[in-house]
Amino acid sequence: AQSVTQLDSHVSVSEGTPVLLRCNYSSSYSPSLFWYVQHPNKGLQLLLKYTSAATLVKGINGFEAEFKKSETSFHLTKPSAHMSDAAEYFCVVSETGNQFYFGTGTSLTVIP
Amino acid sequence: KAGVTQTPRYLIKTRGQQVTLSCSPISGHRSVSWYQQTPGQGLQFLFEYFSETQRNKGNFPGRFSGRQFSNSRSEMNVSTLELGDSALYLCASSLQGRAFFGQGTRLTVV
Repeated sequence: AQSVTQLDSHVSVSEGTPVLLRCNYSSSYSPSLFWYVQHPNKGLQLLLKYTSAATLVKGINGFEAEFKKSETSFHLTKPSAHMSDAAEYFCVVSETGNQFYFGTGTSLTVIP
Repeated sequence: KAGVTQTPRYLIKTRGQQVTLSCSPISGHRSVSWYQQTPGQGLQFLFEYFSETQRNKGNFPGRFSGRQFSNSRSEMNVSTLELGDSALYLCASSLQGRAFFGQGTRLTVV
């Protein structure tokens, strides 16, 4: 069985400071892992995807995530937060390729 | 390249009615999956279709059904609507394990 746990339901950072959104996963196989972002009244946008090619994955808008198998973690980071980063972030796991299991989401607030 | 298109964007229905939502995937994508998003339950997988066949199904009652046409467009149907069915319904089309989501249909049941 596969599942995802996002450890923080809400994260608040000041503009220009680093962002860390935490995610732990559970999977019976070698999963694909994703981070998606959802802005208010918008659909989900793919930030990045891990598929075992490299443990450090770079995504769009300066985000990156590191896959740590020993810790079953896939935390999302960004060196410097921007106001436009304020949104809901979802960590997602998939084993079959087309069936995705979402975490409960982390709401990111960026303080000017 | 056009993205995933969901229609309608907003819908208000009465308890007991039925509703059909539509999803047009990205051209060339044969896999379409559906998700329900609510504040209490988050994003939950409903079902996935590939080449007109349902391949996977989430843990939802039989009132929720879907189908996919030969052009990969998909529809989702909910019968005998309940207040708890009020949600944002998202459709995703996938290719090579990468999913692209539509903006969703917001269904309100009154």
